[in-house]
Amino acid sequence: GQNIDQPTEMTATEGAIVQINCTYQTSGFNGLFWYQQHAGEAPTFLSYNVLDGLEEKGRFSSFLSRSKGYSYLLLKELQMKDSASYLCVRNQGGKLIFGQGTELSVKP
Amino acid sequence: SAVISQKPSRDICQRGTSLTIQCQVDSQVTMMFWYRQQPGQSLTLIATANQGSEATYESGFVIDKFPISRPNLTFSTLTVSNMSPEDSSIYLCSVVAGVSGEQYFGPGTRLTVT
Repeated sequence: GQNIDQPTEMTATEGAIVQINCTYQTSGFNGLFWYQQHAGEAPTFLSYNVLDGLEEKGRFSSFLSRSKGYSYLLLKELQMKDSASYLCVRNQGGKLIFGQGTELSVKP
Repeated sequence: SAVISQKPSRDICQRGTSLTIQCQVDSQVTMMFWYRQQPGQSLTLIATANQGSEATYESGFVIDKFPISRPNLTFSTLTVSNMSPEDSSIYLCSVVAGVSGEQYFGPGTRLTVT
């Protein structure tokens, strides 16, 4: 999806921590979103990073390095309901550019 | 945040026909967007619909195929015209409604063209 790269799929164990990485093209960059999408449902907003560093929100944290064109989403204390697709989304002048998504499977 | 509804939630249509999808928001918003999500793929922006002006289409999408109306600040429609099986997809509308400029999505319309 337009120069946004993230792993296609990941598997993790319930209760564990997982980090989903995303690299993106830095030109015209205004910020980076992470969305969660369960199968058959619309995407839901998780986080937004504009400045470098880590933003923590409950079990989910998101990190951004603008100079490296790199972000990650960190999910702690994984639950079965966290099984979903996680979309790395670049804000390009108000327009959202979606990555292909990382399909996360949480196993018991 | 914003509460967004779409009609219909799903439909099965015949090749060559047209379908109009409605998107209703519970608050007034300036910018509304229409996306397509083909099976197994991520979202692709079709167009941006602003009230009082013509929609702005992304590369690969044209007004004749996907006409859009935006009569007021809470409502928009997307028509998928002269449908073919390749148009089978989920169509989602979204609005910018968060303090960070995040977009909120409607539940989507699942279209199958036979």
